[in-house]
Formats: sequence, structure tokens, C-alpha cells
Amino acid sequence: QSALTQPASVSGSPGQSITISCTGITSDIGADKFVSWYQQYPGNAPKVIIFDVRVRPSGVSKRYSGSMSGNTASLTISGLQAEDEADYYCSSCTHSSTLVVFGGGTKLTVL
Amino acid sequence: EVQLVQSGAEVKKPGESLKISCKVSGYNFADYLIAWVRQMPGKGLEWMGIIFPGDSDTTYSPSFQGQVTISADKTINTAYLQWTSLKASDTAIYYCARQGSTGNFDYWGQGALVTVSS
Repeated sequence: QSALTQPASVSGSPGQSITISCTGITSDIGADKFVSWYQQYPGNAPKVIIFDVRVRPSGVSKRYSGSMSGNTASLTISGLQAEDEADYYCSSCTHSSTLVVFGGGTKLTVL
Repeated sequence: EVQLVQSGAEVKKPGESLKISCKVSGYNFADYLIAWVRQMPGKGLEWMGIIFPGDSDTTYSPSFQGQVTISADKTINTAYLQWTSLKASDTAIYYCARQGSTGNFDYWGQGALVTVSS
């Protein structure tokens, strides 16, 4: 599949909720869609915060949630905090392939 | 504890060759895919390809096919990314990561900065 599309930037004030979209998700007919989300701080490796569309790894804040509608995946961060300011990337692969594509990344600014 | 420890930063000239490494510990290296991900300066993440260390089977992104070689030595739990002739445009941070069956990357190396400059 082609690279996924994310907004280049989003912003929000502390306490608010924001949503980052990721469009262009495809899948094999009748198969599940596999989407993950990563958080990356400057100078650090990315960290997975959501996988399999909506599953949070152990230790990841419940303020992060994932969802899917059609060919668009979304990451919602509720109760925005200063520490959420980072770059966020979505990724996806199909059921029949190990080939992964990333979105272009979204810079989140906490105002 | 799962760890992926990458080799250090490299400074090379165009046309030179390079092989960087990713040493794995904390799980059975042969059982999980290892992916390589490129991040050019100020840019996003790009999936380059994967290797299954159990049988050294590889899959490359069409964008990187023929440009790099991914290999692994399961006797020393280490994956490699190799170039035969570097270009200035290869300047980037390269991450190795463990890739799960649904395409998620649950563990990452610290990244290796490769600078190619004359």
C-alpha cells in the first residue's frame, strides 16, 4: 500500500482532547486492518502507544486511544498534558504481507 | 529484559561501504522479525525491510530494494544493515526494531546516525 496520510501538525491546550487521523489504510478483503501508533520525542527512538488499531501496550496511559472507520485510523489523546508534545506516526500492514508503511508524522504542540 | 543495541555513529565518504549492527538480547532472536527503519534529518519514519533471523528470509520495501542488504547472524543474535556504495542521501538515523505479526514495532534500538559527506 502507499504511504499513509497524516496532518503535519495539530495543537491543543492542556486538558483538551485532540485527534490525529491517518488515512489510506488498506487491507486484504475480509481481513482485519493492522494499525499502530508511535510517539517520538526529539532525539529518541519511537515508542509504540497503540497497536492492532486500539490496543494499548502495558504502561501506556489510558489517555491514548485508537479507533478505525473505513480506511481512516485515528489516535485520540484526552486530557492533553505538556508531556504529550511530540511527533506521532501511524503505521499499517496487510494481513498477507509483512511490508509496513508509515504515515508522514504529525507534530503535536501543547499550547 | 528485551534490548536492541545498535552500533555507533558513522561518518563516511560517498562511495564507501558500511555495515551497521543491531545486537539483540532478552528473547529468542530466531523467533521474531527484525525491521530496519530510516529517519532522514527532520523527516519521518520509513520502513526499509525485514529479516526473519530463523531462516534469514528477507523482504524489502520497493524503495530500498537493491540499495541495501539486510542480514543476520543468529549465532550472535545480531542483525545487520549494509551498503556497498554510500551516497550523501543515505545520511540518516537508522533504527532496528522488533516487528510483530501485525506489523507493530514493540522494541526499538537506540538508533545509529550515519553521515555521508565528502
